[in-house]
Amino acid sequence: AQSVAQPEDQVNVAEGNPLTVKCTYSVSGNPYLFWYVQYPNRGLQFLLKYITGDNLVKGSYGFEAEFNKSQTSFHLKKPSALVSDSALYFCAVRPYTGRRALTFGSGTRLQVQP
Amino acid sequence: GAGVSQSPSNKVTEKGKDVELRCDPISGHTALYWYRQSLGQGLEFLIYFQGNSAPDKSGLPSDRFSAERTGGSVSTLTIQRTQQEDSAVYLCASSSGGQGAGSPLHFGNGTRLTVT
Repeated sequence: AQSVAQPEDQVNVAEGNPLTVKCTYSVSGNPYLFWYVQYPNRGLQFLLKYITGDNLVKGSYGFEAEFNKSQTSFHLKKPSALVSDSALYFCAVRPYTGRRALTFGSGTRLQVQP
Repeated sequence: GAGVSQSPSNKVTEKGKDVELRCDPISGHTALYWYRQSLGQGLEFLIYFQGNSAPDKSGLPSDRFSAERTGGSVSTLTIQRTQQEDSAVYLCASSSGGQGAGSPLHFGNGTRLTVT
């Protein structure tokens, strides 16, 4: 069975500082990995994905994520946080083959203080 | 074009009643998903439709839940004999199916179901 762990319920960071939101996964075979963001009173939005190739993927709003196969991690990062980045972030995984439904983590609330 | 549309946006029902939730996916998207998000919780997978293949129903929590997708487009999620624990936001998403399983999901704004 596939699963995603987001070990931090909340991450607090000061505006202008770098941020990291952690994600580890478990899946049979190679993974497709995704990050989604949910702003208050808005739907889930796609941020970025890893399919294959370069382990560092870049996405929307200056976010990037690093795929680490040996650690089965896909941490979300941004060099300089903005107050407007405050939102709920979800990591998700599905395998290359077999069941195609996307499995989501429990979410991490990012709070950026001015 | 338009995004994923869900209706109603809010639904309050009495315990024991049946409810139907509707999802209009993005035109041309072959894959459609239903998820449930309870307050403070992550997204719980319910069901997945891909083209003409048999749906993946492995996430449905009980036989009170069912879903269908007519003509490969609109989908309806039905909950029979609702219980208070069914209260949640029900999210629908669609994807183009391009790049295999790597195409991103596009989510609707959800239906907030409250069972009293």
